[in-house]
Amino acid sequence: NAGVMQNPRHLVRRRGQEARLRCSPMKGHSHVYWYRQLPEEGLKFMVYLQKENIIDESGMPKERFSAEFPKEGPSILRIQQVVRGDSAAYFCASSPTTDNEQFFGPGTRLTVL
Amino acid sequence: GENVEQHPSTLSVQEGDSAVIKCTYSDSASNYFPWYKQELGKRPQLIIDIRSNVGEKKDQRIAVTLNKTAKHFSLHITETQPEDSAVYFCAAHSGNTPLVFGKGTRLSVIA
Repeated sequence: NAGVMQNPRHLVRRRGQEARLRCSPMKGHSHVYWYRQLPEEGLKFMVYLQKENIIDESGMPKERFSAEFPKEGPSILRIQQVVRGDSAAYFCASSPTTDNEQFFGPGTRLTVL
Repeated sequence: GENVEQHPSTLSVQEGDSAVIKCTYSDSASNYFPWYKQELGKRPQLIIDIRSNVGEKKDQRIAVTLNKTAKHFSLHITETQPEDSAVYFCAAHSGNTPLVFGKGTRLSVIA
């Protein structure tokens, strides 16, 4: 059973471009969570999704950020018109239910030039 | 919503000594408390967790205690080793809400 997969592992974008981050949860997991981690800081919750539904997006900026988890395929976190402040590590995690261990992916390190 | 405070932010111990990291939470409905370890440049990994129906859980050199009345829980690492050096995060969870993480403790074990 492969773990949580994220790609790309590293992404470099220029200001104003779009960033697309992908997350494939562990097999059998229908709950996906996205977190942002700035250097030397903790994990900040962004959004929680179940298949085809956004359950909680309270941690996601209202502009430029969107997330989806389609019926088929990975979950995608999209950042439009990136700015330097978007540079961070973005982790996704998955779980089989809401009150179980969350398994983290390796993260995508986004650098905005 | 839930708020998790974690202390200390940094901790240095001599190899072989014990390390204790403390967290408090605000939502009395929280019922699941995991601890994650994150080594430099790597993903967070669960090391131990506890649910609100138990007061203590142990796994070899690692133990977690929970005081529901005071709404705090602690991570105890005994006989620390250099490979225990990492950032440790506590978290709290209730119902369908997402995990809320503390800000982390950077543990350095000095050989």
